[in-house]
Amino acid sequence: QVQLQESGPGLVKPSQTLSLTCTVSGGSITSGGYYWTWIRQRPGKGLEWIGYIYNSGSTYYTPSLKSRVTISVDTSNSQFSLRLTSMTAADTAVYYCARAVWELHPRFDSWGQGTLVTVSS
Amino acid sequence: DIQMTQSPSSVSASVGDRVTITCRASQDISNWLAWYQQKPGKAPKLLIYGASTLQSGVPSRFSGSESGTDFTLTITSLQPEDFGTYYCQQANSFPVTFGQGTRLEIK
Repeated sequence: QVQLQESGPGLVKPSQTLSLTCTVSGGSITSGGYYWTWIRQRPGKGLEWIGYIYNSGSTYYTPSLKSRVTISVDTSNSQFSLRLTSMTAADTAVYYCARAVWELHPRFDSWGQGTLVTVSS
Repeated sequence: DIQMTQSPSSVSASVGDRVTITCRASQDISNWLAWYQQKPGKAPKLLIYGASTLQSGVPSRFSGSESGTDFTLTITSLQPEDFGTYYCQQANSFPVTFGQGTRLEIK
């Protein structure tokens, strides 16, 4: 069964860039039909989809974050990454990586445990 | 963006009860709807996709249905482990959006 694990800093200063990595194990990141996704959840709030990347490198980002987000993939290390620039307090959230199945009916069927990122000086 | 509106925002029910949670889409999403359960401090867990298809390993007391732009998650015979927050999610069009969540408390 595929497992995902986020890693990265828990504290980021305002205006800095956040970099998170998700390591995929128990399955191939190059398997067809899967889109590797980042989702976040602000404290006490709902879920916000950030974007995804396919193993070919094609990406799609949510419009509200598009100018600040980059998702990349490193198939040789079975990892994909999130880069979010110009961080503010509003970006404080638990960040999840997830696997999306996009065939027939899109859904997020496997999730990492999440990593809390706090933006503070 | 497609807005997903869940009701109620919270519900309290007893073990053995039948619980219904509704999600309304702001426009047609066909049946491109999924339901998730999230427990405190944990990642969401996929329950249902395609509005009514049960994810492998999910108990059969969970079911989903649709009527136009209204979608329903039903839990028959509520169990103590069913507490948590439930979210609907659409992926008919980008960006993917989630409902605001329904908190289920066991009395």
